[in-house]
Amino acid sequence: GAVVSQHPSRVICKSGTSVKIECRSLDFQATTMFWYRQFPKQSLMLMATSNEGSKATYEQGVEKDKFLINHASLTLSTLTVTSAHPEDSSFYICSASLAGALNYGYTFGSGTRLTVV
Amino acid sequence: GENVEQHPSTLSVQEGDSAVIKCTYSDSASNYFPWYKQELGKGPQLIIDIRSNVGEKKDQRIAVTLNKTAKHFSLHITETQPEDSAVYFCAPGKDGYIPTFGRGTSLIVHP
Repeated sequence: GAVVSQHPSRVICKSGTSVKIECRSLDFQATTMFWYRQFPKQSLMLMATSNEGSKATYEQGVEKDKFLINHASLTLSTLTVTSAHPEDSSFYICSASLAGALNYGYTFGSGTRLTVV
Repeated sequence: GENVEQHPSTLSVQEGDSAVIKCTYSDSASNYFPWYKQELGKGPQLIIDIRSNVGEKKDQRIAVTLNKTAKHFSLHITETQPEDSAVYFCAPGKDGYIPTFGRGTSLIVHP
């Protein structure tokens, strides 16, 4: 089945630094990937839709300059949290579906726990 | 957009009991109804889904039932086991679907 790999699983960084999170589709091509953010004991909130070869589409209230998304190939999307602050600490999750699929089959990565100190 | 509500928010059962979680949605055009299971520190996993042309689907101990008229669908888990303990999310949608999650239901199965 479709596998999405997310890396790193955990990262601790200092306030003011940037952190990059990778999301890879291992056995399929994904023209579209999605990035979610999840606070403790809360639901997943969609941050942005990452489109291969074009700019990401951000949800209302999500800062484009803070959360940089790059989808350079059909198997890789990256989320960079720039100038991280403690309030950016959260669980970040990516998801992807088979390119062109109409069966709504979305696979999620295992998530990245970001802690900003 | 879709307005999704899940009930209950927390469900505690004894091992072997059944568990039922209900998801109510607002968009009558929704035609895809999945349930995801999220274990602690992991991403969600699709466990079962149903489309609007079917009223019920079963996969071993789990089942999903759909009532399109009332705009709700439910997850049923029978013979619960401790490893079923997790947070369960519904994420109904339609064409051009991007999963929008409910608030989640924390299921606790006591041995």
